[in-house]
Amino acid sequence: QQKVQQSPESLIVPEGGMASLNCTSSDRNVDYFWWYRQHSGKSPKMLMSIFSNGEKEEGRFTVHLNKASLHTSLHIRDSQPSDSALYLCAARGSSGNKLIFGIGTLLSVKP
Amino acid sequence: EAAVTQSPRNKVAVTGGKVTLSCNQTNNHNNMYWYRQDTGHGLRLIHYSYGAGSTEKGDIPDGYKASRPSQENFSLILELATPSQTSVYFCASGATAQDTQYFGPGTRLLVL
Repeated sequence: QQKVQQSPESLIVPEGGMASLNCTSSDRNVDYFWWYRQHSGKSPKMLMSIFSNGEKEEGRFTVHLNKASLHTSLHIRDSQPSDSALYLCAARGSSGNKLIFGIGTLLSVKP
Repeated sequence: EAAVTQSPRNKVAVTGGKVTLSCNQTNNHNNMYWYRQDTGHGLRLIHYSYGAGSTEKGDIPDGYKASRPSQENFSLILELATPSQTSVYFCASGATAQDTQYFGPGTRLLVL
């Protein structure tokens, strides 16, 4: 069964620092990736999506995708305490009709 | 943003009892999904639907049934609840499989 691996499991960065999160799929037919953010006690909310090789930037958030290695990464610059949350990576694979989620990276931004 | 609501928000059930979790979306999305979230497992797909009258098994369907009576409503039914079904359940909707999924606020279920 397709798996989505995220690393690291947890990450602590200082306020104003850069956070880098990684995600890799085991399914060679993956074509869509999403990054969701889930604050404690809340529901996941879509942060960014990427479907093409390369880079996509939205404000302080940048997503990279390398389809050859099935790897995506999320980078948060100038991290804020409000960025502290669980970050979930999701991939749409060969079945085409559902997402597979990773377990997530728990980010803590310390003032 | 898509509006997805769930009820109840919290539920305590007894082992062997029947539990129904409800989900409503007002954005005319075709696809709806039920997930459970547990520490160490992330979000796991239980059932999903392509539209009214359709239900499909997800990755962990055992012990659960689903019902999609209309475009707006999607229910998850636990006929005989067990303590292992204690979890947080999220409903989500999306226009198509290629589109972003929008999640409801979740239901915390405790089975004693």
